[in-house]
Amino acid sequence: GIQVEQSPPDLILQEGANSTLRCNFSDSVNNLQWFHQNPWGQLINLFYIPSGTKQNGRLSATTVATERYSLLYISSSQTTDSGVYFCAVGVEYGNKLVFGAGTILRVKS
Amino acid sequence: GAGVSQSPSNKVTEKGKDVELRCDPISGHTALYWYRQSLGQGLEFLIYFQGNSAPDKSGLPSDRFSAERTGGSVSTLTIQRTQQEDSAVYLCASSLGRTSGNTGELFFGEGSRLTVL
Repeated sequence: GIQVEQSPPDLILQEGANSTLRCNFSDSVNNLQWFHQNPWGQLINLFYIPSGTKQNGRLSATTVATERYSLLYISSSQTTDSGVYFCAVGVEYGNKLVFGAGTILRVKS
Repeated sequence: GAGVSQSPSNKVTEKGKDVELRCDPISGHTALYWYRQSLGQGLEFLIYFQGNSAPDKSGLPSDRFSAERTGGSVSTLTIQRTQQEDSAVYLCASSLGRTSGNTGELFFGEGSRLTVL
C-alpha cells in the first residue's frame, strides 16, 4: 500500500516564527488532507488539497502531485498552533485515507 | 447534525466485557469510516461503510471487532471480550461519498476514548 512520510517528527518554535511541514507519499493520489489534532484530541480539517495551493489566514498548503509531496506553511506561529499535524492521502478507488505519523509542533511564548 | 457526533466520549471497562461505540455522521454523508488511535500513535483504519454496506473491513484487527450501520446513518462499533490492547481512541469520520474514485473530504468526530482495565 501507499506510504506516507512526514517531516520533521518534532518541531519547537518560538511564538512568531514561521515553519514548513512536509508530507511525502509513495504513489499517485487523488485526495490529500492536512489535519491539526489539538491537545484535546480533536482532528480539525485544515486543507483538502490533492493539488495546487491554498491559503487560509496564517496557514497555506501546496501539493505537487507529480512529485509526490505536499507542504504546510505556518506563519507567525501562535501557542494555539501547538498540537500534532497529520497529512492523509487517498488513492484512486481506494476506500480510506492513509495517515502519516504526524509532526508534533510546540510553540513557546 | 452540524458535525460528526460520537458517544460515549469516555468509556472505562473491565477486561472481558463487551463495549459498543456509536457514531452519528454529518447529515447527508453516505460514507462513514472508523479509525483507531493508540496512545501517541497515528490513525489506523478499521472499516469503511458506503450506505449500509461495508465494502472494506480490512482494518478490523480481530473477529472480536464488528460494526454495523443502519438507515444509512448511525453506526455502531462493537468490541467483544475486550483486551487491554484495545485501549485507544476510536474515531469516526464521514464524507459525502465516493465520486470518480475519490473518498471526498473526511470530517472527524471527537472520538471515544476506551480504557480497558
